[in-house]
Amino acid sequence: DTGVSQNPRHKITKRGQNVTFRCDPISEHNRLYWYRQTLGQGPEFLTYFQNEAQLEKSRLLSDRFSAERPKGSFSTLEIQRTEQGDSAMYLCASSPYTGGGEKLFFGSGTQLSVL
Amino acid sequence: AQRVTQPEKLLSVFKGAPVELKCNYSYSGSPELFWYVQYSRQRLQLLLRHISRESIKGFTADLNKGETSFHLKKPFAQEEDSAMYYCALAGGGYQKVTFGTGTKLQVIP
Repeated sequence: DTGVSQNPRHKITKRGQNVTFRCDPISEHNRLYWYRQTLGQGPEFLTYFQNEAQLEKSRLLSDRFSAERPKGSFSTLEIQRTEQGDSAMYLCASSPYTGGGEKLFFGSGTQLSVL
Repeated sequence: AQRVTQPEKLLSVFKGAPVELKCNYSYSGSPELFWYVQYSRQRLQLLLRHISRESIKGFTADLNKGETSFHLKKPFAQEEDSAMYYCALAGGGYQKVTFGTGTKLQVIP
Protein backbone atom coordinates (compact mmCIF):
# COMPACT_ATOMS: atom_id res chain seq x y z
CA ASP A 1 0.00 0.00 0.00
CA THR A 2 1.56 3.25 -1.15
CA GLY A 3 -0.77 5.61 0.63
CA VAL A 4 -3.40 7.99 -0.70
CA SER A 5 -3.15 8.41 -4.46
CA GLN A 6 -4.45 11.38 -6.42
CA ASN A 7 -4.72 11.75 -10.18
CA PRO A 8 -3.85 13.70 -12.14
CA ARG A 9 -0.99 15.51 -10.39
CA HIS A 10 -1.48 18.57 -12.56
CA LYS A 11 -4.41 19.79 -14.65
CA ILE A 12 -4.47 22.80 -16.91
CA THR A 13 -7.82 23.74 -18.37
CA LYS A 14 -9.56 26.62 -20.03
CA ARG A 15 -12.22 28.62 -18.27
CA GLY A 16 -15.63 27.07 -18.77
CA GLN A 17 -14.40 23.50 -19.13
CA ASN A 18 -15.30 20.67 -16.76
CA VAL A 19 -12.62 18.80 -14.83
CA THR A 20 -12.66 15.66 -12.71
CA PHE A 21 -10.12 14.55 -10.14
CA ARG A 22 -9.74 11.11 -8.64
CA CYS A 23 -8.64 10.05 -5.18
CA ASP A 24 -7.81 6.49 -4.13
CA PRO A 25 -7.66 6.27 -0.34
CA ILE A 26 -5.73 3.79 1.75
CA SER A 27 -7.51 0.46 1.66
CA GLU A 28 -10.24 0.05 4.25
CA HIS A 29 -10.13 3.69 5.35
CA ASN A 30 -13.76 4.60 5.84
CA ARG A 31 -13.31 8.38 5.92
CA LEU A 32 -12.36 10.44 2.90
CA TYR A 33 -11.91 14.22 2.83
CA TRP A 34 -11.48 16.77 0.07
CA TYR A 35 -9.71 20.06 0.79
CA ARG A 36 -8.66 22.99 -1.36
CA GLN A 37 -5.47 24.92 -0.72
CA THR A 38 -4.34 28.19 -2.26
CA LEU A 39 -0.97 29.86 -1.84
CA GLY A 40 -0.41 31.06 1.70
CA GLN A 41 -3.54 29.43 3.06
CA GLY A 42 -4.27 26.29 5.00
CA PRO A 43 -6.34 23.41 3.66
CA GLU A 44 -9.92 24.62 3.24
CA PHE A 45 -12.59 21.99 3.90
CA LEU A 46 -14.72 21.09 0.88
CA THR A 47 -16.53 17.87 1.73
CA TYR A 48 -16.14 14.50 3.37
CA PHE A 49 -17.48 10.96 3.25
CA GLN A 50 -18.02 8.16 5.70
CA ASN A 51 -17.94 5.12 3.43
CA GLU A 52 -20.22 6.12 0.53
CA ALA A 53 -22.26 8.66 2.49
CA GLN A 54 -21.41 12.33 2.00
CA LEU A 55 -21.59 13.82 5.50
CA GLU A 56 -21.20 17.49 4.74
CA LYS A 57 -20.44 19.86 1.91
CA SER A 58 -18.95 23.26 2.62
CA ARG A 59 -21.40 26.12 2.26
CA LEU A 60 -18.64 28.00 0.47
CA LEU A 61 -18.82 25.47 -2.32
CA SER A 62 -20.93 26.42 -5.29
CA ASP A 63 -23.21 24.04 -7.11
CA ARG A 64 -20.51 23.68 -9.76
CA PHE A 65 -18.65 21.37 -7.39
CA SER A 66 -19.77 17.78 -6.84
CA ALA A 67 -18.12 14.80 -5.24
CA GLU A 68 -18.93 11.13 -5.18
CA ARG A 69 -17.60 8.06 -3.48
CA PRO A 70 -19.35 5.06 -5.04
CA LYS A 71 -19.18 1.89 -2.99
CA GLY A 72 -17.12 3.67 -0.38
CA SER A 73 -13.86 3.18 -2.24
CA PHE A 74 -12.29 5.80 -4.51
CA SER A 75 -13.75 9.28 -4.82
CA THR A 76 -14.11 11.80 -7.62
CA LEU A 77 -14.38 15.57 -7.41
CA GLU A 78 -15.89 17.31 -10.42
CA ILE A 79 -15.85 21.02 -11.13
CA GLN A 80 -18.18 22.19 -13.86
CA ARG A 81 -17.72 25.38 -15.86
CA THR A 82 -14.38 26.14 -14.26
CA GLU A 83 -13.47 29.69 -13.32
CA GLN A 84 -10.05 31.25 -12.75
CA GLY A 85 -10.83 31.40 -9.04
CA ASP A 86 -10.95 27.61 -8.98
CA SER A 87 -7.18 27.48 -9.53
CA ALA A 88 -5.75 25.78 -6.45
CA MET A 89 -4.27 22.59 -5.06
CA TYR A 90 -6.99 20.03 -4.37
CA LEU A 91 -6.04 17.67 -1.55
CA CYS A 92 -7.57 14.34 -0.64
CA ALA A 93 -7.11 12.65 2.73
CA SER A 94 -8.36 9.41 4.24
CA SER A 95 -8.56 8.03 7.75
CA PRO A 96 -9.63 4.92 9.62
CA TYR A 97 -12.28 6.77 11.57
CA THR A 98 -13.27 5.04 14.81
CA GLY A 99 -15.00 7.84 16.66
CA GLY A 100 -12.40 10.50 17.24
CA GLY A 101 -8.73 11.45 17.36
CA GLU A 102 -8.31 10.32 13.81
CA LYS A 103 -5.09 10.73 11.87
CA LEU A 104 -5.55 11.99 8.34
CA PHE A 105 -3.35 10.57 5.60
CA PHE A 106 -2.94 13.02 2.74
CA GLY A 107 -2.32 12.52 -0.94
CA SER A 108 0.09 14.65 -2.95
CA GLY A 109 -2.74 16.70 -4.38
CA THR A 110 -3.93 17.78 -7.82
CA GLN A 111 -2.78 21.23 -8.91
CA LEU A 112 -5.48 22.87 -11.04
CA SER A 113 -4.71 25.85 -13.24
CA VAL A 114 -7.63 27.52 -15.00
CA LEU A 115 -6.57 29.77 -17.87
CA ALA B 1 -19.04 26.65 13.93
CA GLN B 2 -15.46 25.60 14.44
CA ARG B 3 -12.48 27.80 13.65
CA VAL B 4 -8.72 27.57 14.04
CA THR B 5 -6.53 30.67 14.15
CA GLN B 6 -2.78 30.76 13.66
CA PRO B 7 -1.77 34.40 14.06
CA GLU B 8 1.76 34.14 12.67
CA LYS B 9 2.37 33.47 8.98
CA LEU B 10 6.13 33.28 9.51
CA LEU B 11 8.27 32.55 12.53
CA SER B 12 12.04 32.81 12.26
CA VAL B 13 14.26 31.52 15.04
CA PHE B 14 17.93 30.70 15.37
CA LYS B 15 19.09 27.12 15.72
CA GLY B 16 19.05 26.12 19.37
CA ALA B 17 16.48 28.76 20.33
CA PRO B 18 13.07 27.83 21.76
CA VAL B 19 10.09 27.64 19.44
CA GLU B 20 6.44 28.37 20.12
CA LEU B 21 3.89 28.22 17.32
CA LYS B 22 0.57 29.68 18.40
CA CYS B 23 -2.84 28.15 17.78
CA ASN B 24 -6.19 29.33 19.09
CA TYR B 25 -9.51 27.71 18.40
CA SER B 26 -13.18 28.46 18.56
CA TYR B 27 -15.52 25.60 19.28
CA SER B 28 -18.43 25.21 21.64
CA GLY B 29 -17.90 21.57 22.55
CA SER B 30 -14.89 19.45 23.47
CA PRO B 31 -12.58 19.49 20.46
CA GLU B 32 -9.75 17.24 19.50
CA LEU B 33 -6.67 19.19 18.46
CA PHE B 34 -3.81 18.25 16.16
CA TRP B 35 -0.65 19.63 14.66
CA TYR B 36 0.19 18.72 11.07
CA VAL B 37 3.49 19.48 9.34
CA GLN B 38 4.49 19.81 5.72
CA TYR B 39 8.19 19.63 4.90
CA SER B 40 9.44 20.92 1.58
CA ARG B 41 8.17 18.79 -1.32
CA GLN B 42 6.45 16.34 1.03
CA ARG B 43 2.86 15.56 1.86
CA LEU B 44 1.02 17.03 4.78
CA GLN B 45 1.43 14.65 7.72
CA LEU B 46 0.38 14.39 11.33
CA LEU B 47 2.91 15.62 13.87
CA LEU B 48 1.00 15.09 17.09
CA ARG B 49 -2.46 15.08 18.68
CA HIS B 50 -3.49 16.26 22.10
CA ILE B 51 -5.24 13.06 23.17
CA SER B 52 -1.97 11.16 22.90
CA ARG B 53 -0.09 13.61 25.09
CA GLU B 54 3.03 12.64 23.20
CA SER B 55 6.27 14.32 22.26
CA ILE B 56 7.26 13.93 18.63
CA LYS B 57 10.66 15.12 17.37
CA GLY B 58 10.96 17.12 20.59
CA PHE B 59 7.68 18.98 20.01
CA THR B 60 4.91 19.10 22.59
CA ALA B 61 1.54 20.82 22.71
CA ASP B 62 -0.82 21.31 25.63
CA LEU B 63 -4.51 21.92 25.26
CA ASN B 64 -5.58 24.92 27.35
CA LYS B 65 -9.36 24.96 27.38
CA GLY B 66 -9.53 28.17 29.40
CA GLU B 67 -7.54 30.08 26.80
CA THR B 68 -8.81 27.89 23.92
CA SER B 69 -5.24 27.40 22.79
CA PHE B 70 -3.05 24.55 21.61
CA HIS B 71 0.40 26.05 21.14
CA LEU B 72 3.22 23.94 19.75
CA LYS B 73 6.53 24.12 21.58
CA LYS B 74 10.08 22.88 21.28
CA PRO B 75 12.90 23.88 23.62
CA PHE B 76 15.72 23.84 21.05
CA ALA B 77 15.01 24.39 17.35
CA GLN B 78 16.89 22.38 14.73
CA GLU B 79 17.40 23.22 11.07
CA GLU B 80 15.33 20.19 10.01
CA ASP B 81 12.34 21.66 11.83
CA SER B 82 11.94 24.25 9.06
CA ALA B 83 8.52 23.54 7.53
CA MET B 84 4.89 24.66 7.36
CA TYR B 85 2.92 23.85 10.50
CA TYR B 86 -0.85 23.62 10.57
CA CYS B 87 -3.06 23.42 13.63
CA ALA B 88 -6.27 21.42 13.14
CA LEU B 89 -9.44 20.76 15.08
CA ALA B 90 -11.88 17.85 14.90
CA GLY B 91 -15.35 18.61 16.14
CA GLY B 92 -19.03 18.34 15.52
CA GLY B 93 -21.17 15.27 15.43
CA TYR B 94 -19.15 13.77 12.64
CA GLN B 95 -15.77 15.04 13.85
CA LYS B 96 -15.03 17.17 10.79
CA VAL B 97 -11.38 18.26 10.65
CA THR B 98 -10.75 21.99 10.13
CA PHE B 99 -7.31 23.52 9.57
CA GLY B 100 -5.72 26.86 10.40
CA THR B 101 -3.92 28.97 7.82
CA GLY B 102 -0.51 27.67 8.85
CA THR B 103 2.76 29.09 10.16
CA LYS B 104 6.02 28.79 8.30
CA LEU B 105 8.85 28.00 10.68
CA GLN B 106 12.27 29.06 9.48
CA VAL B 107 15.23 27.91 11.57
CA ILE B 108 18.30 30.01 10.88
CA PRO B 109 21.64 28.15 11.12
